[in-house]
Amino acid sequence: DAMVIQNPRYQVTQFGKPVTLSCSQTLNHNVMYWYQQKSSQAPKLLFHYYDKDFNNEADTPDNFQSRRPNTSFCFLDIRSPGLGDAAMYLCATSRDGTMGAFFGQGTRLTVV
Amino acid sequence: AQSVTQLGSHVSVSEGALVLLRCNYSSSVPPYLFWYVQYPNQGLQLLLKYTSAATLVKGINGFEAEFKKSETSFHLTKPSAHMSDAAEYFCAVSDYTGGFKTIFGAGTRLFVKA
Repeated sequence: DAMVIQNPRYQVTQFGKPVTLSCSQTLNHNVMYWYQQKSSQAPKLLFHYYDKDFNNEADTPDNFQSRRPNTSFCFLDIRSPGLGDAAMYLCATSRDGTMGAFFGQGTRLTVV
Repeated sequence: AQSVTQLGSHVSVSEGALVLLRCNYSSSVPPYLFWYVQYPNQGLQLLLKYTSAATLVKGINGFEAEFKKSETSFHLTKPSAHMSDAAEYFCAVSDYTGGFKTIFGAGTRLFVKA
């Protein structure tokens, strides 16, 4: 059974049109992460939540926002997608950051 | 701040040969270290983790890694490569500074030749 579910798997959006990616978990983990991964590159951490505490990476563009309304769900909002934001977006969870993370299948975002 | 360096963006081995993927870490406090595998268009899967218990860690699919504090290394090995091991492998580090965020190395793509 899938434990970290990302929807949709593939998302096509227009340049400048806001888009939201979603992630849900059935593991009841405290930590949730959002990563951006471009082709043949390492996942780049955008932000993470430890419970309700939000931690933004210093180099994450303001164009990217996140919400975690409850333990199970986390959303990534891209306010005005540019062509450079086309990537795979990975959601991951961890009990407390010490035991490794469980990843979803990712959402591949295309900007046209 | 913590970081990891993976030596070699591409590694090619013959089927049945030893697999060795190198990872060195930097952390100002005792780290938690991980290896992940990623197949095309998939998320990452945890192979194994070091969490300050045994220094030799065994993971899934026959992989293991040894934590060497003196060398700040956490290299991944497998005695005999299989064609299905061809994938991208990422080393990652986490520690309590910065709220246990997990930072990944650049990755090593493993090719397995028949």
